[in-house]
Amino acid sequence: GENVEQHPSTLSVQEGDSAVIKCTYSDSASNYFPWYKQELGKGPQLIIDIRSNVGEKKDQRIAVTLNKTAKHFSLHITETQPEDSAVYFCAAPEGYGGATNKLIFGTGTLLAVQP
Amino acid sequence: DTEVTQTPKHLVMGMTNKKSLKCEQHMGHRAMYWYKQKAKKPPELMFVYSYEKLSINESVPSRFSPECPNSSLLNLHLHALQPEDSALYLCASSITDRALAGVGYEQFFGPGTRLTVL
Repeated sequence: GENVEQHPSTLSVQEGDSAVIKCTYSDSASNYFPWYKQELGKGPQLIIDIRSNVGEKKDQRIAVTLNKTAKHFSLHITETQPEDSAVYFCAAPEGYGGATNKLIFGTGTLLAVQP
Repeated sequence: DTEVTQTPKHLVMGMTNKKSLKCEQHMGHRAMYWYKQKAKKPPELMFVYSYEKLSINESVPSRFSPECPNSSLLNLHLHALQPEDSALYLCASSITDRALAGVGYEQFFGPGTRLTVL
């Protein structure tokens, strides 16, 4: 089955700096990689995702990169703001293609943006 | 409407009580999920419903009983819970439970029900 590792577990940056969170996965057949942001007391919110047919995807200050050869993907947040402070989870699906849509989550990264 | 709603927000129950959690979505999604999340941990999948039928049960104890009355509603019936069952219970939905032609993976979560078992 799929195994997802996420680093770092905590990350503290100054407002305006960039933040990078990295995940590795084990199943070379995995083809979809979402990132979720979870604020205190709320459910996870899908913020960006990438499919295995592209190497990078951007959405304003957020970007995700994927290296299929090395089996890792990363979340990049530029010009961080205090409202970016949250726990971020990466995930990958267990099972290939038409297999059931079960997401395996990383262990989470607590991002703190200091004003 | 791109929202998954869950009720109640908070629930406190004794070990002999019976209670139910409710989840609703009106996005036309045909797959719905229950997750359990302990503090400082990622969500753990409990159940998956596809087209109102149970497709995955992650070996969850029988004191948790899911139900999908229709394509928009998902319930989780609770009975004889233990204090270690205290957690945030999350509902999610997606277009389908299978990735077809590159779509179907995106899961959208509700805000959760914070459950405390005394």
